[in-house]
Amino acid sequence: KQEVTQIPAALSVPEGENLVLNCSFTDSAIYNLQWFRQDPGKGLTSLLLIQSSQREQTSGRLNASLDKSSGRSTLYIAASQPGDSATYLCAVEETSGSRLTFGEGTQLTVNP
Amino acid sequence: DAGVIQSPRHEVTEMGQEVTLRCKPISGHDYLFWYRQTMMRGLELLIYFNNNVPIDDSGMPEDRFSAKMPNASFSTLKIQPSEPRDSAVYFCASRRSSGEETQYFGPGTRLLVL
Repeated sequence: KQEVTQIPAALSVPEGENLVLNCSFTDSAIYNLQWFRQDPGKGLTSLLLIQSSQREQTSGRLNASLDKSSGRSTLYIAASQPGDSATYLCAVEETSGSRLTFGEGTQLTVNP
Repeated sequence: DAGVIQSPRHEVTEMGQEVTLRCKPISGHDYLFWYRQTMMRGLELLIYFNNNVPIDDSGMPEDRFSAKMPNASFSTLKIQPSEPRDSAVYFCASRRSSGEETQYFGPGTRLLVL
């Protein structure tokens, strides 16, 4: 059974800092890996999707990498802003069109 | 597109009552997923459909839970009878079968069973 773990569970940083969120998964036979953002009381918003054949994806200040063989992904946030404060969730899809298995998330607070 | 639409947004009910949650996926999406989020267990898949057909319902907790998708633009998740431990946020998500494969989530239904 696939298990997804995110470290750290919570992170508090000053504005402007670059930071890295970590995600690991137990079964490397995945189809893709997705990073989501969840604001309090809201649904999930997709940030980046990395196919199993890719090594990284970038969107603005966000960069996600994938090392499938070691079962790891990182989400890099450059020049963090208070508006980045949210919970970040990592999820893996094992085959096309199948379920997403989520990690428990990293709660990020960026202090002005 | 308005995105995934869920109703109601909030539901408070008493133990033993029937609860029906509704979802309208994004037009053109042929996968629909129902998830539940709690503090203790995080986000869990309950069931998902492809072209209105249930594919995997292994996450449905027990017989009190049922889900239907009568057409491509509507799905329901029903709990009968409801119990306090069903209190959670229930999310619906949809995605295409090809091309962009991101799952798009609705705003969720916050359910409280007293």
